[in-house]
Amino acid sequence: AQSVAQPEDQVNVAEGNPLTVKCTYSVSGNPYLFWYVQYPNRGLQFLLKYITGDNLVKGSYGFEAEFNKSQTSFHLKKPSALVSDSALYFCAPLYGGYNKLIFGAGTRLAVHP
Amino acid sequence: AAGVIQSPRHLIKEKRETATLKCYPIPRHDTVYWYQQGPGQDPQFLISFYEKMQSDKGSIPDRFSAQQFSDYHSELNMSSLELGDSALYFCASSPRASGNTIYFGEGSWLTVV
Repeated sequence: AQSVAQPEDQVNVAEGNPLTVKCTYSVSGNPYLFWYVQYPNRGLQFLLKYITGDNLVKGSYGFEAEFNKSQTSFHLKKPSALVSDSALYFCAPLYGGYNKLIFGAGTRLAVHP
Repeated sequence: AAGVIQSPRHLIKEKRETATLKCYPIPRHDTVYWYQQGPGQDPQFLISFYEKMQSDKGSIPDRFSAQQFSDYHSELNMSSLELGDSALYFCASSPRASGNTIYFGEGSWLTVV
């Protein structure tokens, strides 16, 4: 079965500190991996994706993610958090055969001033 | 840049009524997806269409139906509404090829009372 796990319901970080939001996946084949962010009462905004190539992917708003095939992980990172980064973050592997995203439970990021 | 347009943004219906949600994909996107996000839940895939044909089906109740029209817009029809149908319904679109970014609309809030 295809699945994704975000082990932390919430991540708390002080503004200016680095942040990491964890994601592990179980998808057959070579997965395409996405991160989306959801602000309160808003839609899902695309942050970044890994298709192939360099394991470190850079995306919007200074976010980046590192693909680790051996650990089947795709952790989201940012070197210096902003209060405005506070939102709900979803890791989503693409079930390639059907071009369908599989969403994790989401991780709420709270950045404190 | 043009985004995925959903209407209405908010809808209140009574139990056993019918609701229709509309989605206008990004121009030149031939694939449309519908997702349901219950309160505090991760988005769940309902159904997708490619070139006006259903391409995949997820956890969509039999009371729901959807279609994609010749102009690529899509409609999600929900009948015999239940309280549990109250959720945020997302439409998303992408070009067909696997790995292309899937872009989401702002969602339609359905409240069943």
